[in-house]
Amino acid sequence: SAVISQKPSRDICQRGTSLTIQCQVDSQVTMMFWYRQQPGQSLTLIATANQGSEATYESGFVIDKFPISRPNLTFSTLTVSNMSPEDSSIYLCSGQGSDGYTFGSGTRLTVV
Amino acid sequence: AQTVTQSQPEMSVQEAETVTLSCTYDTSESDYYLFWYKQPPSRQMILVIRQEAYKQQNATENRFSVNFQKAAKSFSLKISDSQLGDAAMYFCAYRSGWGSSNTGKLIFGQGTTLQVKP
Repeated sequence: SAVISQKPSRDICQRGTSLTIQCQVDSQVTMMFWYRQQPGQSLTLIATANQGSEATYESGFVIDKFPISRPNLTFSTLTVSNMSPEDSSIYLCSGQGSDGYTFGSGTRLTVV
Repeated sequence: AQTVTQSQPEMSVQEAETVTLSCTYDTSESDYYLFWYKQPPSRQMILVIRQEAYKQQNATENRFSVNFQKAAKSFSLKISDSQLGDAAMYFCAYRSGWGSSNTGKLIFGQGTTLQVKP
């Protein structure tokens, strides 16, 4: 199955700054998904990214705060903009390929 | 909208014993897929087992099996001969079938943390 390399694995950022998280897949995937997960809790979908079109955001998430790029079938980025301590969380990407779903190993973000 | 509920925040099992994790879901769709994922402390999501709603036969993968009750909208996971490496958080997930306006997104339950005692 596909393998996703997600970077960075962790970061500590100052409030008011932005962080871009990258996910590189070793094979083509149709859809990519971005999730947020508080430690020990469930995954909440932020948005769905399709190549060549604007991402579809779930209720409570907006493009200005979480802009997403999907330039091709193997790469996507999520930016967390103008960060506040409430954005401290784990962010995971996932890709849907022909053999199912694969997940990145997550980015643990701490905003101070 | 579809929802997935895992009512057991934590479970524990003795090594080599059997444990069952519960999952219920709510949907008006007839075509869908159900999954169990395992998330160890490494955060890597690992597919444990998958069930297509149109299949009456319960899925099995080695020591892992499901009890899929479509009418009751229940999808429990049974782990037999539990091993220390089974300790992790387990998530039940739902995906709409391709006949819907489905983007392929997964809807996750709250998760169950499984402790395996030696």
